[in-house]
Amino acid sequence: KAGVTQTPRYLIKTRGQQVTLSCSPISGHRSVSWYQQTPGQGLQFLFEYFSETQRNKGNFPGRFSGRQFSNSRSEMNVSTLELGDSALYLCASSSGGPNSPLHFGNGTRLTVT
Amino acid sequence: GNSVTQMEGPVTLSEEAFLTINCTYTATGYPSLFWYVQYPGEGLQLLLKATKADDKGSNKGFEATYRKETTSFHLEKGSVQVSDSAVYFCALGGGTSYGKLTFGQGTILTVHP
Repeated sequence: KAGVTQTPRYLIKTRGQQVTLSCSPISGHRSVSWYQQTPGQGLQFLFEYFSETQRNKGNFPGRFSGRQFSNSRSEMNVSTLELGDSALYLCASSSGGPNSPLHFGNGTRLTVT
Repeated sequence: GNSVTQMEGPVTLSEEAFLTINCTYTATGYPSLFWYVQYPGEGLQLLLKATKADDKGSNKGFEATYRKETTSFHLEKGSVQVSDSAVYFCALGGGTSYGKLTFGQGTILTVHP
């Protein structure tokens, strides 16, 4: 079974630009979650989608948004990029049940200059 | 709110030594507990999980027991290998947290031959 696939692996953007990251979950998984990982703040939850609906949301500004498609693939968008948005963005999929473990992709490394 | 505290790292051990990484948590309700491992340049891999008190999760020689009375989920391995060198994260979630895991800060483990 293929794992969680994130594209692209690396991105370099300039302050003020916007960026879209993509995530394909494990086949059959209907839940996709997004996390930001930085050396200073560690792993922080952004949001979770299940069957195209956002079920849960972390404490990030509105510049961070996401969506999920009918095939469970998900995209995350960050608008008006700031230097502090430089991070590893991780996507995880699961079946969506209350105790189902998350399966993570290898992430997209975003650098904002 | 929920929180997870891991022992300070980094941890440096010789091959075949005994490993313990401490993890304590604060949570409302009855969370599920997880250990994830992250190798350089990769995403997080689920190592083991426990969903209720006194459950023992185990995988690849690693073990952790869900101790509700001490709010702990310490990771142990009897004999570490060089290939176990990685960053280890303790996390809690489950219930209606939908895709949201609360992570500890991570513990860097280095194993020397």
